Amino acid sequence: ETGVTQTPRHLVMGMTNKKSLKCEQHLGHNAMYWYKQSAKKPLELMFVYSLEERVENNSVPSRFSPECPNSSHLFLHLHTLQPEDSALYLCASSQDWAQGDTGELFFGEGSRLTVL
Amino acid sequence: GQQLNQSPQSMFIQEGEDVSMNCTSSSIFNTWLWYKQDPGEGPVLLIALYKAGELTSNGRLTAQFGITRKDSFLNISASIPSDVGIYFCAGRNTNAGKSTFGDGTTLTVKP
Repeated sequence: ETGVTQTPRHLVMGMTNKKSLKCEQHLGHNAMYWYKQSAKKPLELMFVYSLEERVENNSVPSRFSPECPNSSHLFLHLHTLQPEDSALYLCASSQDWAQGDTGELFFGEGSRLTVL
Repeated sequence: GQQLNQSPQSMFIQEGEDVSMNCTSSSIFNTWLWYKQDPGEGPVLLIALYKAGELTSNGRLTAQFGITRKDSFLNISASIPSDVGIYFCAGRNTNAGKSTFGDGTTLTVKP
């Protein structure tokens, strides 16, 4: 138990569906992240939120839409995805985004997404 | 952008053997972190290194922050079956925020 909870753990969706991934952290952290993990590829940083403001957006297609309503919750809204978007989506949190942060990321267990 | 080269990509070893893996970078970092990802789980931090030349141990794990600040290694001594998983290195510069991850080393331990 890392203090970061992701739901759902598994999701299968068609290319025309709209779904959302949810992440919640119980650690009192100020920064939250979405990573994409595909087979045989390094972890890809998608989005970073610090104190509920987006501070990083790594050229992610607009079919992925993040939302951070407060510092404990992070969502990834999905619509009109492609089969190549199938991957493990990992949420993480850290104490802060930059200053005063040890750099340690606390990851959730991930949401395994399959796009048909 | 910054890139990390992590090697080896995979390792198949017998229980009891020692393991060594490393990461090299084209640019310097002021923090190196090593994570382990068990099957079906998210990565968990094993060791964090904050000073060039630093050598840190955590049980059977030992990691070093290279003196050039462009590399780091992780050693596992006397491997056991539960060491199976994917090991990731990550480099970070404090004021830049984000960590850059290596591709991972997949470790298989045969009983």
